Amino acid sequence: GAGVSQSPSNKVTEKGKDVELRCDPISGHTALYWYRQSLGQGLEFLIYFQGNSAPDKSGLPSDRFSAERTGGSVSTLTIQRTQQEDSAVYLCASSRTGGLKKTEAFFGQGTRLTVV
Amino acid sequence: AQSVSQHNHHVILSEAASLELGCNYSYGGTVNLFWYVQYPGQHLQLLLKYFSGDPLVKGIKGFEAEFIKSKFSFNLRKPSVQWSDTAEYFCAVGYNQGGKLIFGQGTELSVKP
Repeated sequence: GAGVSQSPSNKVTEKGKDVELRCDPISGHTALYWYRQSLGQGLEFLIYFQGNSAPDKSGLPSDRFSAERTGGSVSTLTIQRTQQEDSAVYLCASSRTGGLKKTEAFFGQGTRLTVV
Repeated sequence: AQSVSQHNHHVILSEAASLELGCNYSYGGTVNLFWYVQYPGQHLQLLLKYFSGDPLVKGIKGFEAEFIKSKFSFNLRKPSVQWSDTAEYFCAVGYNQGGKLIFGQGTELSVKP
């Protein structure tokens, strides 16, 4: 596609429910990143994919968070048993190569998650 | 640990004032440096980038940044800001080792007309 696409754009869920957030990167981009943006907290790195593998998942806050990427394309971030502190905007970005070697990351519009 | 630090959390300027936003990063080998901007209600957009060569890089809308390797810094500058520059600015560092892209905490810029 023309840009990074994330769905849904907004999600309201009840505490304790599971949610899935989807990211469609730019076609041909091998690297994919997930971030969490909370008010006043900047962009918190969650996980990085190179192809289908995740060399760095050090930013996942707890074992309730997981992510996968299939076919070197679409990625899904899953949050189990959501808590109110999970409320944030979840951003996805993709780039042609990992390590941003001579390339930049392109961002989607994000998914605003609200846990009530 | 790899980290990026932005010194200013909120900057308020009047139109035509000069701007400089600080950004420092931790050592981690070869890096690629970026400034992103997020206008209200919009997604993150690239303002400028540095990979190699001339340490003074120019970006869109009159912004520029200088890479000072000895100081691990990549400060953003603009000689004369406009009201339309009101936005949040993020410094980001791409570490070749490991492939991670790390962001600073962001600086909110408010420009008064």
